[in-house]
Parts: sequence; C-alpha cells; structure tokens
Amino acid sequence: SQQGEEDPQALSIQEGENATMNCSYKTSINNLQWYRQNSGRGLVHLILIRSNEREKHSGRLRVTLDTSKKSSSLLITASRAADTASYFCATDKSNYQLIWGAGTKLIIKP
Amino acid sequence: KAGVTQTPRYLIKTRGQQVTLSCSPISGHRSVSWYQQTPGQGLQFLFEYFSETQRNKGNFPGRFSGRQFSNSRSEMNVSTLELGDSALYLCASSSQNTEAFFGQGTRLTVV
Repeated sequence: SQQGEEDPQALSIQEGENATMNCSYKTSINNLQWYRQNSGRGLVHLILIRSNEREKHSGRLRVTLDTSKKSSSLLITASRAADTASYFCATDKSNYQLIWGAGTKLIIKP
Repeated sequence: KAGVTQTPRYLIKTRGQQVTLSCSPISGHRSVSWYQQTPGQGLQFLFEYFSETQRNKGNFPGRFSGRQFSNSRSEMNVSTLELGDSALYLCASSSQNTEAFFGQGTRLTVV
C-alpha cells in the first residue's frame, strides 16, 4: 500500500515558472528519493537525500527534507516543456523496500 | 553500462492464461524489485529479490510469483490472469541502499 503522499496530485504551470511538489511519509527513513516518469515509461532517478541532510541541489532541482515533519519538497526552477512528467517520491527504509507516493503529474504549458 | 532490460515490452493475454516477464538488471546489481503500475492504484510493490532470495513481498495474491537466478536476472509470473492484472509492470535493480534503476516496463493487457 502507498505510505507516501505527494501533493498536489496535478500541477499545471507556464514554461519558465518554478514548480514545487511536496511529499509526506509516515515512518523513519534512511533516505528519500525523487523520480520522474515520462508517459507510460520507466522511472528515472533524479535525486537522493539522506536522512541527515536537509537540502540538496542538482542542476535546476532543489530538494529539501524535514525529518521532524516527515516531509520533503522538490523544486524545479525555470521549468521547461521537457519537465512535463509525473514525479514520485520514494522513501527507503531498512527492509529493502522503497515506499512510493502516488505521484504528482506536472504539466508545463508553452 | 547497459541499463535494466525488460522483455517483452508489450503483451496481450487472455483471461485465465499465465504470463512470465523477464528482467535483466544492471551488471553488478544484486537487488531486483518488481512493481505494478495502474492508473487507479499507482505504483504498487510486488516483491524484491537479492542473491536469489525473496527478501520482501507486497500485498498481492499468490498468483503473482517471482524468482531470481544466479546471474541476478529475474522473472515474475502471473497465473490465472484476470482483467485487473492489466498494467505496466516495472522492474528496478539497485545496489544496496542506493538509487533504483528502472527498466522501460512491460505493458500487459488482459482481454
């Protein structure tokens, strides 16, 4: 069953704007990961943030983690049409299983 | 390095039949996980294998089974197919506690 929750479920913004997605989870974690999925294809790993880290950057991506609130956010700056995809967060516990959120569908309008 | 390879990419089966899907992980990765993705249920964990042993299993009926071979390649089998089994089946490989690398998936349609 899904234990992570992303919000919003869907987000539509203009190209060039920033997009922010949030993820909440329920149990303690080793790390939290964000993935992107283009329509009907496999998921692509974007960024991993460990439980002892608070913020991480990768190109136009910025991820924050607040373990006290059990939440994370993914910020995509200066969005592009190619960023249109579904974005998933996954938490890594110690039992060799990633727990996935339901995803946020991001649409970038030209 | 070659990525995760899933075969076949597309499959159409009739209710009651069985199906076997294959996944070849990235070389050196010993962990292989399987997921079912449907529009209604999202990404659901099926099971995870490491060194030929199933370490974890999701909440799926016994019709769903899997195995892993000594070369880390994995197969999953679904018996007595139902219409609701129509989905995208994704395989992911990883080294322990690192990011998962996904294959392109197998799109199964049960008619």
